[in-house]
Amino acid sequence: AQTVTQSQPEMSVQEAETVTLSCTYDTSESDYYLFWYKQPPSRQMILVIRQEAYKQQNATENRFSVNFQKAAKSFSLKISDSQLGDAAMYFCAYRAFTGANSKLTFGKGITLSVRP
Amino acid sequence: DTEVTQTPKHLVMGMTNKKSLKCEQHMGHRAMYWYKQKAKKPPELMFVYSYEKLSINESVPSRFSPECPNSSLLNLHLHALQPEDSALYLCASSQLGLPQETQYFGPGTRLLVL
Repeated sequence: AQTVTQSQPEMSVQEAETVTLSCTYDTSESDYYLFWYKQPPSRQMILVIRQEAYKQQNATENRFSVNFQKAAKSFSLKISDSQLGDAAMYFCAYRAFTGANSKLTFGKGITLSVRP
Repeated sequence: DTEVTQTPKHLVMGMTNKKSLKCEQHMGHRAMYWYKQKAKKPPELMFVYSYEKLSINESVPSRFSPECPNSSLLNLHLHALQPEDSALYLCASSQLGLPQETQYFGPGTRLLVL
């Protein structure tokens, strides 16, 4: 079974600084997707970034980028120029490549606070 | 447009009540999902519908009854719930067929069972 581990329950970053959120996973599959979702307090869960395991290039979305290390099964999220609106709970998630009903496996999440 | 809508936003119900949660998407997605989320925890999958047919039931108690009337709508019927069922209920949808299977979430219904 696949597992996703987010070992740090909380992190804090100064506004305008850079922060990296860690995620590791375990799978026997060779092809899969990895995701970072953001859930602000009492607000909607939104997709931040997606990475296909077969792509060597790390995904980037504006201030958000990932460091995908397939051999190490590591998928960290880097947030550059942190903003107050980045304060949220962040979930790392895994989905197998095959199967129409592949489930999302979530990590426990990390709460990010941004200091003004 | 990646919008999934859910109604109501908040719901308070007694243990003998019957209520329904509604979810709607107009993205042409053919998979829809119900999740339960407790505070500060990740979402837990409850049900998956693919092409309007129930494809996954994660051993959810029968007091939760899902329904998918058409490809855009998903309901969750609630009956005789327990206080421990109080949670945020999230709906999500996704396209079927790789690589479009990214799940998009609605804002959720916050349920309180008294």
